[in-house]
Amino acid sequence: EVQLLESGGGLVQPGGSLRLSCAASGFTFSNYGMSWVRQAPGKGLEWVSGITGSGGSTYYADSVEGRFTFSRDNSKNTLYLQMNSLRAEDTAVYYCAKRVASEVFDYWGQGTLVTVSS
Amino acid sequence: AIRMTQSPSSFSASTGDRVTITCRASQGIASYLAWYQQKPGKAPKLLIHTASTLQSGVPSRFSGSGSGTDFALTISRLQAEDFATYYCQQFYDYPPTFGQGTKVEIK
Repeated sequence: EVQLLESGGGLVQPGGSLRLSCAASGFTFSNYGMSWVRQAPGKGLEWVSGITGSGGSTYYADSVEGRFTFSRDNSKNTLYLQMNSLRAEDTAVYYCAKRVASEVFDYWGQGTLVTVSS
Repeated sequence: AIRMTQSPSSFSASTGDRVTITCRASQGIASYLAWYQQKPGKAPKLLIHTASTLQSGVPSRFSGSGSGTDFALTISRLQAEDFATYYCQQFYDYPPTFGQGTKVEIK
């Protein structure tokens, strides 16, 4: 059974940093690209970043480019999203998602809430 | 970025109804479209990809159609568990973008 478990969310001040993790199990992790998708409270879905199975290529939304870094450790079946220079508009539930093909997401984690506020 | 516009934003329906949600892309995306269902407090669930391919395990009352710029998600006979918010998403080009969502409520 595919499982994705995010952690690392919490309350952080504007300008601060946070690192999210996503532990994956139930599939051959290194064979699949993965992504982060976020959802601000009461709002719709926004793709944040994607990474290839090898970790060799990453892609970012303009809204986070230069501030967020997406990486993976295939030996630990874990994803990381390093978030720096956080802004109030980054407040959201962050989901990690497994890509079935291109940027189509067939499994999602339960999400972790990031709140950026003073 | 490609803009995805869903209509309607919300509506009420009864169990047993046939319902259709539409999604329009701001430029042609061939068949690179997916549909997701999201219930309150839960992660989205993939229903359909490549415009009309039903994801494994999804009931056959869900169907998708369209190509180019205009797409539709149809639920043939609405069930109680189908009341949720539905999102379309294009994966033709980066960044992948979602529609604003369509909330299906109980009449």
